[in-house]
Amino acid sequence: NAGVTQTPKFQVLKTGQSMTLQCAQDMNHEYMSWYRQDPGMGLRLIHYSVGAGITDQGEVPNGYNVSRSTTEDFPLRLLSAAPSQTSVYFCASSSLGAGRRDIQYFGAGTRLSVL
Amino acid sequence: GENVEQHPSTLSVQEGDSAVIKCTYSDSASNYFPWYKQELGKRPQLIIDIRSNVGEKKDQRIAVTLNKTAKHFSLHITETQPEDSAVYFCAACETPMDMRFGAGTRLTVKP
Repeated sequence: NAGVTQTPKFQVLKTGQSMTLQCAQDMNHEYMSWYRQDPGMGLRLIHYSVGAGITDQGEVPNGYNVSRSTTEDFPLRLLSAAPSQTSVYFCASSSLGAGRRDIQYFGAGTRLSVL
Repeated sequence: GENVEQHPSTLSVQEGDSAVIKCTYSDSASNYFPWYKQELGKRPQLIIDIRSNVGEKKDQRIAVTLNKTAKHFSLHITETQPEDSAVYFCAACETPMDMRFGAGTRLTVKP
């Protein structure tokens, strides 16, 4: 049981390049989400999904796309990277069932620099 | 939407002393209040949580208190140890998709 797995761990992009951050979970969680973490600002929700085929925007969705074709995977796409997207990105998952609902499990993070 | 404020932003204590971190939230519908610990370069990890039907919860040296009327909750760490040094985040939500985090408190425990 690996939990939440993110790849890559580090990435450097040039302005305007595109890339996909991968996230996979093996806990059969319905809910998956992407956060960005910037100094002094805590964790801010980018996009989330409550199940395969269902996604929605969080607090800071601009510049990012997501899709959820399977329960396990929830990739985050940057279509045209900007320096303002330099951040640490965390994927998280949670069960929506009764009992352990709301408890989010985080991946190890992806540190992204956009030059 | 929910808004969470966390204080202080930095906290330095001597080993063995207690540490208290406070958070306030805005949405009265919030009913779940977790605390996460994040060590340098690592992922946030849940250390304790509380739901709105209780006022206090303890787990060894860690306790959380909740005042729903005043919309604030606090993390208490007793007998602090150097390994408690980390950034601590509070959060509040009614559902996972509306979870909002505080800006974090950097705790330093001096040996």
